[in-house]
Order: sequence, then C-alpha cells, then structure tokens
Amino acid sequence: GQNIDQPTEMTATEGAIVQINCTYQTSGFNGLFWYQQHAGEAPTFLSYNVLDGLEEKGRFSSFLSRSKGYSYLLLKELQMKDSASYLCAVRDQDYKLSFGAGTTVTVRA
Amino acid sequence: IAGITQAPTSQILAAGRRMTLRCTQDMRHNAMYWYRQDLGLGLRLIHYSNTAGTTGKGEVPDGYSVSRANTDDFPLTLASAVPSQTSVYFCASSARGSTDTQYFGPGTRLTVL
Repeated sequence: GQNIDQPTEMTATEGAIVQINCTYQTSGFNGLFWYQQHAGEAPTFLSYNVLDGLEEKGRFSSFLSRSKGYSYLLLKELQMKDSASYLCAVRDQDYKLSFGAGTTVTVRA
Repeated sequence: IAGITQAPTSQILAAGRRMTLRCTQDMRHNAMYWYRQDLGLGLRLIHYSNTAGTTGKGEVPDGYSVSRANTDDFPLTLASAVPSQTSVYFCASSARGSTDTQYFGPGTRLTVL
C-alpha cells in the first residue's frame, strides 16, 4: 500500500508563493499526481510527475524526487481563486491512485 | 459536453435501505473508479474496473458492490446502508494510457440516518 503525508493547512498572502510538500512510502511507484479541489466540488487534475525533476505549468510547478519519496507543488503569484484543497496522489503498478488527506490553502488579501 | 455524470446529487437514506449511485461517462475511457471522501481521510478507493466486464476491490470495499456491464456505466450499490457510509462519493474514469489522468464526476453526497 501507500503512506502519503502532506500538511493539513497553509495560509499565504495574495501574490505570494506557497510550497506544499508531499512525502510518500510506496510498495510500487508509477507516478505522482496533484489535484486541486475547491470546496463542494470535484478534484481537478493539476500536474503529473513520473521522472525526477520539475514540471512547470504556468503559475503551478511540481517537483519529484523518487529516491527521497518526496514531491512538492509550488503555487506562484497566488490569487484568491487558488484557495482550495490540494491533493497529492501516488499511482501504483496497477494504475490505482492512493491519495493524501489534502492540504487546505487559504489565500488572504 | 464530454465528461462524467453522477446521480443523484445528494440523498438522505434510512439505515438498512438499498441504494444505487449512478455514474456515466462519455469519454470512452476503459477504467472507472469509485471513491469516498471523508473529512480528514481524503479520497479512498472503494472499487474499480479496468475494462468493461471486470471489477476489482479497492481499499474500502466492504458494504459496497459494483458492476461494469458496458464501457460507459459503473453503478455503485449499497446493499444495506449503515450510518458509517455517510460520505461524499466520487466516480472517476481514465483512459489507462501512460499519463492515465483520472477525471472526476461532480460527486454524490449521501447521508445515512
């Protein structure tokens, strides 16, 4: 199985940068995903890493280190609409996802 | 618009009743999944199906059953609902390619009294 840890809550100011860390222990790693979930809505896909390194997509970037069992999601130039939960998910060899409990990010004016 | 639909949006159910949550996708995705989401626990996989005609158990399958008669539909049945099954249920699908991004439906909020 998978053991996935991420902080419960983070608060940041509009325009700032926030980094959400995710550590995992896995019995078979086949990729790491980040999802965004606004309150009362479905999770939506943000990023995918399967090789070590940084993947950049606009204001969002995701980093992976497989040897350390570590990933982070970087949110730059924070906007009020970025207030949401961010879910780290690890995929196993059978293509099943295991999710962390999520990190709630609150952006303040 | 292509995507995943779930029904009902919300439901209040008496304990002991049978309930089927519906999920339909029109993206021709091979794989479909059912999750429940509870505060502080995140999304947990209940059952999944890699292709029509096959199903598998996830992390928390007890009390739930699924079927996959065709590519588009993946209903989740609670044979005899209990209060611990109060949760938000999300259906998801993926194409099972190398990126294999899962796309989620809008969810069903179920309350069992």
